[in-house]
Amino acid sequence: AQSVTQLDSHVSVSEGTPVLLRCNYSSSYSPSLFWYVQHPNKGLQLLLKYTSAATLVKGINGFEAEFKKSETSFHLTKPSAHMSDAAEYFCVVSDRAYGQNFVFGPGTRLSVLP
Amino acid sequence: ETGVTQSPTHLIKTRGQQVTLRCSSQSGHNTVSWYQQALGQGPQFIFQYYREEENGRGNFPPRFSGLQFPNYSSELNVNALELDDSALYLCASSAGQVTDTQYFGPGTRLTVL
Repeated sequence: AQSVTQLDSHVSVSEGTPVLLRCNYSSSYSPSLFWYVQHPNKGLQLLLKYTSAATLVKGINGFEAEFKKSETSFHLTKPSAHMSDAAEYFCVVSDRAYGQNFVFGPGTRLSVLP
Repeated sequence: ETGVTQSPTHLIKTRGQQVTLRCSSQSGHNTVSWYQQALGQGPQFIFQYYREEENGRGNFPPRFSGLQFPNYSSELNVNALELDDSALYLCASSAGQVTDTQYFGPGTRLTVL
């Protein structure tokens, strides 16, 4: 079965410093991987998507993620955090071998300190 | 282009009652998926509809059922509500392929008392 582990439930950074949110996945075939962000009382917004093209994926708002098959990881990074980045972040795996659904990780809450 | 919309925004029900949640998919999308997000957790897949037929189901009991209409809008019905059904219910639409990007609505917050 496919699964997603987000290694940190909460990450706190200072404004202007780098962000690293870690994600490891389990999937038998070649998965598609996504990062979504959820601001308080809002729906989920797509940040970026990997689908077996370039392993370094650039997303919106300066975020990017690198797919590493040997490490089964898809960590999310941003060079410089902004106050508006404070939110919940979800890593998602989807694999056609497992049917029509997305599997979400438990989420990482990002706090940005002034 | 209109995004995914859901109604109502909030509702409160009592244990044992039935509830219907509604979702309008994004223009051009023929697939709708429903998720349950309990407080402090990631969304859990309930089921997906593709061209009016159920196309995959997560680990939820039969009292969770759904419909998709010819215009690709969808309903989620929950019978015999339990306290643990209190959650944010999210609807997402996509263009139809398994790994296609899903676009989410703002959700419906259900509280069961």
